Amino acid sequence: EVQLLESGGGLVQPGGSLRLSCAASGFTFSNYAMNWVRQAPGKGLEWVSGISGSGDSTYYADSVKGRLTISRDNSKNTLYLQMNSLRAEDTAVYYCAKDRSVVVLAATNYWGQGTLVTVSS
Amino acid sequence: DIQMTQSPSSLSASVGDRVTITCRASQGISNYLAWYQQKPGTVPKLLIYAASTLQSGVPSRFSGSGSGTDFTLTISSLQPEDVATYYCQKYNSAPKTFGPGTKVDIK
Repeated sequence: EVQLLESGGGLVQPGGSLRLSCAASGFTFSNYAMNWVRQAPGKGLEWVSGISGSGDSTYYADSVKGRLTISRDNSKNTLYLQMNSLRAEDTAVYYCAKDRSVVVLAATNYWGQGTLVTVSS
Repeated sequence: DIQMTQSPSSLSASVGDRVTITCRASQGISNYLAWYQQKPGTVPKLLIYAASTLQSGVPSRFSGSGSGTDFTLTISSLQPEDVATYYCQKYNSAPKTFGPGTKVDIK
């Protein structure tokens, strides 16, 4: 059974940093691309970033480019999102999500339960 | 970047009705289009990928069609458990943009 467990969310001041983690199990982690998708309270889904199975290719939404960095450790079956220079508009539930393929350009077939990031003073 | 729109933004229909949701891309995306269902308080669930391929385990009352810029998600006979918000997403290139969503409820 595929399981994705996010951690690392919390309250952070504007301009601050946070690192999210996603522990994956139930599948061969390195064989699949992974993504971070966020959802602000009461709002729709926003794709944030994606990384290929090998970690060689990364992609970002324009709204986070230069501030958020996706990475993965295939030896630990873990996905990360380093979040710097956080803004109030980054407040959202952040979902870790697994793609159907090793490349990022694929549909997403599993989602974690999410971790809440709140940016506020 | 390619923009995704959906219509309507919300709809109310009776149990057993046929429901159609439209998704439009601002540029052609071939068939690189997925549909997701998000029930209140839950995480999104993949319904359809490659515009028309039903994800394993999804009821056959759900179907998808389209290619290029115009796509549709159809629920052939609306059930109470289909109350949810439905999102399309393009994945031919990054960013993998979602549509704004269509909220479906029962009349």
